[in-house]
Amino acid sequence: EAQVTQNPRYLITVTGKKLTVTCSQNMNHEYMSWYRQDPGLGLRQIYYSMNVEVTDKGDVPEGYKVSRKEKRNFPLILESPSPNQTSLYFCASSLGSGRDNEQFFGPGTRLTVL
Amino acid sequence: AQSVTQPDIHITVSEGASLELRCNYSYGATPYLFWYVQSPGQGLQLLLKYFSGDTLVQGIKGFEAEFKRSQSSFNLRKPSVHWSDAAEYFCAVGRFSGGYNKLIFGAGTRLAVHP
Repeated sequence: EAQVTQNPRYLITVTGKKLTVTCSQNMNHEYMSWYRQDPGLGLRQIYYSMNVEVTDKGDVPEGYKVSRKEKRNFPLILESPSPNQTSLYFCASSLGSGRDNEQFFGPGTRLTVL
Repeated sequence: AQSVTQPDIHITVSEGASLELRCNYSYGATPYLFWYVQSPGQGLQLLLKYFSGDTLVQGIKGFEAEFKRSQSSFNLRKPSVHWSDAAEYFCAVGRFSGGYNKLIFGAGTRLAVHP
């Protein structure tokens, strides 16, 4: 089954404790991205990647890091989480870069930073 | 700057009633428009998309949307709502920037369905 998977689905942590949220897709998609969803704000892009070893900032990259060492994986790293990073996070992938390319979303990771 | 506005944060309808969710966009060029649905605890699923051509677009689950350039709108409609349609709905516009297609999302509309 074609899908985007994320782990963990739920995570509660404390301020300053480094964490990684994994994202994997099995569709051989070139493009992957991370979004955060906050009430009243919709989804905002954090980082995106156009290929292995090619990443760039989205609209809200502060406090986050990403890496793309393999085509299928695109982990999101919070080196020193803070309470304002409490949010629902989505990973997405798409085959191409055109504006008409559908993005496929993972199930989301709900992160709480105390 | 590109933006998407969904004026209704919450909407409640009765099962079997018709539904219209509003979406207005701001985009300089021809917009590529999407509607996504997020069921509780799930990721986002694409309902339909508009790129060009016929301004009335049919999607999955009986949904349709109409693109009106003069009103900068892309409203989502369904003639008869089912209880399983209760979810959050997001309108988005595709923006091609830096070699990548980014989705600009609206804030979402949460739909509740009364039996």
